[in-house]
Amino acid sequence: EAGVAQSPRYKIIEKRQSVAFWCNPISGHATLYWYQQILGQGPKLLIQFQNNGVVDDSQLPKDRFSAERLKGVDSTLKIQPAKLEDSAVYLCASTQQMYQETQYFGPGTRLLVL
Amino acid sequence: AQSVTQLGSHVSVSEGALVLLRCNYSSSVPPYLFWYVQYPNQGLQLLLKYTTGATLVKGINGFEAEFKKSETSFHLTKPSAHMSDAAEYFCAVTSSNTGNQFYFGTGTSLTVIP
Repeated sequence: EAGVAQSPRYKIIEKRQSVAFWCNPISGHATLYWYQQILGQGPKLLIQFQNNGVVDDSQLPKDRFSAERLKGVDSTLKIQPAKLEDSAVYLCASTQQMYQETQYFGPGTRLLVL
Repeated sequence: AQSVTQLGSHVSVSEGALVLLRCNYSSSVPPYLFWYVQYPNQGLQLLLKYTTGATLVKGINGFEAEFKKSETSFHLTKPSAHMSDAAEYFCAVTSSNTGNQFYFGTGTSLTVIP
């Protein structure tokens, strides 16, 4: 069984530029999560999808961050414009169902904003 | 509201010594508790989880954790540390009434000294 795929693995941009991350969850997993992990901290949930609908985006900075999962499979997370404090690892995770399930994580995308 | 506190951001043990990583949680409802491990430049991997039933949970790589409701703790232990155990460890909590939103601790970096 293939795991959660993410790309790119690394990205360096200048502040005020735009960037997009892609995630392909495990096949058949209905729930998809995007986390931001700042150095020295635990992952913080940005947005949670159930199929192609948003379950929770309360911690997503909506003035600059957006995410979509149009067909209920893969997902993209975009930052526009980026700020220095957005430097972090962006993790994607998926679960088969919504409740009490183990989350399977991708390798993450490491973003550096200069 | 739910939260997780991991005491000790850095723990060092000698190879072969006992590993003890501490996790305390806060939850107003019965929690589901998880320990994840993160190796450098990789995503999070599940070590073990407690949902219901036996309070002593065994996981991969010889790790185990005990759910103690009276102490609101879920400490991770391993009798004998191995060099390959060096990594970042995260405790997380969720529950049935939070839409499967996970709350992660800030992590504990484990160093194993040869």
